[in-house]
Amino acid sequence: ENVLTQSPGTLSLSPGERATLSCRASQSVSSSFLTWYQQKPGQAPRLVIYGASSRATGIPDRFSGSGSGTDFTLTISRLEPEDFAVYFCQQYGSSPMFSFGQGTKLEIK
Amino acid sequence: QVQLQESGPGLVKPSQTLSLTCAVSGGSISSGDYYWSWIRQPPGKGLEWIGYIYYNGDTYYNPSLEGRITISVDTSKNQFSLRLNSVTAADTAVYFCARFDWVSGYFQYWGQGTLVTVSS
Repeated sequence: ENVLTQSPGTLSLSPGERATLSCRASQSVSSSFLTWYQQKPGQAPRLVIYGASSRATGIPDRFSGSGSGTDFTLTISRLEPEDFAVYFCQQYGSSPMFSFGQGTKLEIK
Repeated sequence: QVQLQESGPGLVKPSQTLSLTCAVSGGSISSGDYYWSWIRQPPGKGLEWIGYIYYNGDTYYNPSLEGRITISVDTSKNQFSLRLNSVTAADTAVYFCARFDWVSGYFQYWGQGTLVTVSS
């Protein structure tokens, strides 16, 4: 089973600061199939980054993704108030076909 | 614009069967480019993939839930369904249906989610 571990669990930052979120896999993940989602309370997850580094339609360029193998990073260069949410990474391909990280909560300091 | 909408009972008794349906609009469920999936999220917790169905009826389930799950598709109604047997309180969660683009590797469209509580 490919377990995704996200860190930190909670990240407290101020608007304008830079956020760096980590996702580490227990087994190698194809970069093509590492995805990041944003979830706000009471809403479904929203696609942010796919293929480890490609921004989804409508996602501002302050969001970027990087990494390969077992270590991936989501970076938000200058936080806006609407960016505070929970972020999940997700892999496709390794048993159990799909798995999600436990999430990083990005909260306003 | 593709939209997905879950429907079904919000309360299920322990040991009974949870049944949900996901209606798809704005696109055909018969497209071969997608896996039609169920994902759940216990209150305050993370996301767990349950399983998916392909338009031709092929299914793939999370091994941790296999044996209790059935996912079916009705192409004439453009919808797919989930049945989860022998539920316990641990199955209380928000259940999402979602469309997975297997070429690009992501869940692009999600339903709004429906809370199912398992309680007597």
